Amino acid sequence: GAGVSQSPSNKVTEKGKDVELRCDPISGHTALYWYRQSLGQGLEFLIYFQGNSAPDKSGLPSDRFSAERTGGSVSTLTIQRTQQEDSAVYLCASSSYRGSGNTIYFGEGSWLTVV
Amino acid sequence: LAKTTQPISMDSYEGQEVNITCSHNNIATNDYITWYQQFPSQGPRFIIQGYKTKVTNEVASLFIPADRKSSTLSLPRVSLSDTAVYYCLVGDMDSSYKLIFGSGTRLLVRP
Repeated sequence: GAGVSQSPSNKVTEKGKDVELRCDPISGHTALYWYRQSLGQGLEFLIYFQGNSAPDKSGLPSDRFSAERTGGSVSTLTIQRTQQEDSAVYLCASSSYRGSGNTIYFGEGSWLTVV
Repeated sequence: LAKTTQPISMDSYEGQEVNITCSHNNIATNDYITWYQQFPSQGPRFIIQGYKTKVTNEVASLFIPADRKSSTLSLPRVSLSDTAVYYCLVGDMDSSYKLIFGSGTRLLVRP
């Protein structure tokens, strides 16, 4: 597609429920990233995929968070047993290594509210 | 990742040129300098990226002196819609994705 696409754009869920957030990266981009941004805060790195493998999961805040990527394209971020502190914007981004600076392009985010 | 320092906020008026400087004293040989723009409730948007000297695209210019310890994002003739937060990031291709954005520079463009 023309840009990084994320769904849903907004999600309100009850505490304790599981949620899935989807990311469709720019076509041809091999690298995919998930970030989290709380209100008024900077970006927090969660996980990085190169193809279908995740060489860096260091940012996942707890074992309630997991992500997968299939076919080198779409990725899903899953949050189990959601807590109120999980409320944030979850941003997906993608990039293509071209032997120069790694330009990362973001989607518009999925706004998650846990009530 | 190199630590960056930017002004917390800047004010300008429509039609003026705005220059936002970022300091990155610990920049490494393989590091690139990238600027992003972020509006409220939106994901960051890539503006420009450079390694040395000057880079220009349709929206901005990036000036990087020879020692690369700082960089200046130049926005020509700003409009109200340029009101946003601007982030400077420095990193190499393999680590830049960690994207420690920091607080950025809040630019307010007044009529």
